[in-house]
Amino acid sequence: DTGVSQDPRHKITKRGQNVTFRCDPISEHNRLYWYRQTLGQGPEFLTYFQNEAQLEKSRLLSDRFSAERPKGSFSTLEIQRTEQGDSAMYLCASSARQGMRNEQYFGPGTRLTVT
Amino acid sequence: GIQVEQSPPDLILQEGANSTLRCNFSDSVNNLQWFHQNPWGQLINLFYIPSGTKQNGRLSATTVATERYSLLYISSSQTTDSGVYFCAVERYAGGTSYGKLTFGQGTILTVHP
Repeated sequence: DTGVSQDPRHKITKRGQNVTFRCDPISEHNRLYWYRQTLGQGPEFLTYFQNEAQLEKSRLLSDRFSAERPKGSFSTLEIQRTEQGDSAMYLCASSARQGMRNEQYFGPGTRLTVT
Repeated sequence: GIQVEQSPPDLILQEGANSTLRCNFSDSVNNLQWFHQNPWGQLINLFYIPSGTKQNGRLSATTVATERYSLLYISSSQTTDSGVYFCAVERYAGGTSYGKLTFGQGTILTVHP
């Protein structure tokens, strides 16, 4: 168990560019979550996958955001036409629900800066 | 949606002191987690505690689900305890839940040597 990994750890981009982030969950976890955290706030839910199916999306996820988990393993989060307001830490988490238990484990995050 | 409030927002301690962090939530929940966010942004799992009391070394936590609050106790604090502590809850909606967590605003803990 190597934990949740994310790549890249930091990304600086210019406004209007597209960016893509990758998340590799803990290997036996079938659930994968994306969250966004801005300075001084707690993380906010963006979207959720169970295996390869995207089952829930937050209203925070505008049309410029798209997420995939094509084979039920790693996931990608793409932001098109980035805006300065997209600057944040993007966190990925995974879990394996066992009965009522659904403990989520987080990756180190990707810090995005849009200039 | 469910509201999660943490108190105090900031806490400054001398090394060796004890502290209690509180998390109130506005509705019934089925899961609750406490996290420590280190200076690099990594969220570290402290407790998974939808109800009851758990202890792990100098840290312990209690959740009273019927009264909608949870407490995190830190004893004999160390400088390495500094960081932001988050409470996060999961609430069932309509008998199903995809497990999304709703976080509080966090408590910023600073421990001085």
